[in-house]
Amino acid sequence: RKEVEQDPGPFNVPEGATVAFNCTYSNSASQSFFWYRQDCRKEPKLLMSVYSSGNEDGRFTAQLNRASQYISLLIRDSKLSDSATYLCVVHGGGDKLIFGTGTRLQVFP
Amino acid sequence: NADVMQNPRHLVRRRGQEARLRCSPMKGHSHVYWYRQLPEEGLKFMVYLQKENIIDESGMPKERFSAEFPKEGPSILRIQQVVRGDSAAYFCASSPTGTGYEQYFGPGTRLTVT
Repeated sequence: RKEVEQDPGPFNVPEGATVAFNCTYSNSASQSFFWYRQDCRKEPKLLMSVYSSGNEDGRFTAQLNRASQYISLLIRDSKLSDSATYLCVVHGGGDKLIFGTGTRLQVFP
Repeated sequence: NADVMQNPRHLVRRRGQEARLRCSPMKGHSHVYWYRQLPEEGLKFMVYLQKENIIDESGMPKERFSAEFPKEGPSILRIQQVVRGDSAAYFCASSPTGTGYEQYFGPGTRLTVT
């Protein structure tokens, strides 16, 4: 079983749609969780951290369910510029980040 | 420059040659991480270094790969006798702390082995 699993997609949605991505992780001792965004052939960039209480940043909402070991990202009112690959990332303890393979989002006009 | 710098951005090597990838961390950061991203896969941790020390190399292949972060100058990821399977994007990230939480990524080096 992979340490971090994501549906690869692609998710094709029209502008203005709401889309949700889920991610599961295998290590119940993991403490920190993040969503990164990666544009085609670019470096990953931190989108937001994920807290147990959930957190929101504009159109983006992240949730963590420790009991089920899954993390979600909700994007409301999708924009064309949201098209990218979204990486679920778990802090693996010690010093390394563990990346999922990513979920690809394509927003069309 | 405030950003993490990597060079070269693109590197082409023939099988059997050596590849040297460089990473200059953000100003004030003394922790460097290297990741590899194979086509259609997620980033995989390779090695974590502080100045002059390798802290965690659990993700490094046992042979042909080495990394250093000297007191002066950039961090270097070195791949000897490259093979086609080494073709990938190599990203480095730097952090002001050693906890691994705040990592800022460079633009990556795309290595192609022909």
